[in-house]
Amino acid sequence: QQQVKQSPQSLIVQKGGISIINCAYENTAFDYFPWYQQFPGKGPALLIAIRPDVSEKKEGRFTISFNKSAKQFSLHIMDSQPGDSATYFCAARANSKLTFGKGITLSVRP
Amino acid sequence: GAGVSQSPSNKVTEKGKDVELRCDPISGHTALYWYRQSLGQGLEFLIYFQGNSAPDKSGLPSDRFSAERTGGSVSTLTIQRTQQEDSAVYLCASSLLNTEAFFGQGTRLTVV
Repeated sequence: QQQVKQSPQSLIVQKGGISIINCAYENTAFDYFPWYQQFPGKGPALLIAIRPDVSEKKEGRFTISFNKSAKQFSLHIMDSQPGDSATYFCAARANSKLTFGKGITLSVRP
Repeated sequence: GAGVSQSPSNKVTEKGKDVELRCDPISGHTALYWYRQSLGQGLEFLIYFQGNSAPDKSGLPSDRFSAERTGGSVSTLTIQRTQQEDSAVYLCASSLLNTEAFFGQGTRLTVV
C-alpha cells in the first residue's frame, strides 16, 4: 500500500509558468510534510516543508498548500525556470520515519 | 564534516558477493536513515537509527540486508549474497531528532 501518492508522474511547463505537483496521504499520524528536490547524481535536498496546523507556507517562488481534511498537499512553483528542472518528491513523517512519494520529473522549457 | 558523506560513490559487484556501504553523518546528528532509490520507485525506507539503536528496521527487504551504527556516528549497510534486484542507489540521511533530514549523494550499486 502506497502511503504517499504523487501526481502527475511527469510535468512539462513553459518558462515563467506555474508548476503544480500534488500529493495525497493516508496515515493521519503524519505530522510533517516536506518537499525534496533532486538533481541527477545528487541526493535529495529539502525545498520547503509544512506542518498540519498551517494551511499554506510560502518561501520565495515555492508555496505549499495543505488541506488536512482532504489529506492532500501540493507544491506550487511560480515563475518556473529551466533551473527548476529536476525530480520532486513529497514526503510525510510519522514516528521519525519519512515516507516518500514516487517522485515527479519536472521539465521547464525555455 | 560539512555534509553527509557516503562511500563508495559507485560499486559494481558480482552476483553472490557481499558488499558494505558506508555513511558518515553530519557531526552531532543523532538520527540516521538508509533509503534505497530504484528507477521510477521513489525512495524506499530501509532502516532508521537513533543513536546506536535501530528502533525501526521494518524496511529491510530480506535477511541478506543488515546495518549497524557505532559510536553514534558512522553507519554501515551490508548486503550479503547480492542479487541483481539489489541494484539501486542507496541513500543515507541524518538529522537531529525530528528536524530536517540531510541526504548524502548516495552509493550507486550495480550487481552483474
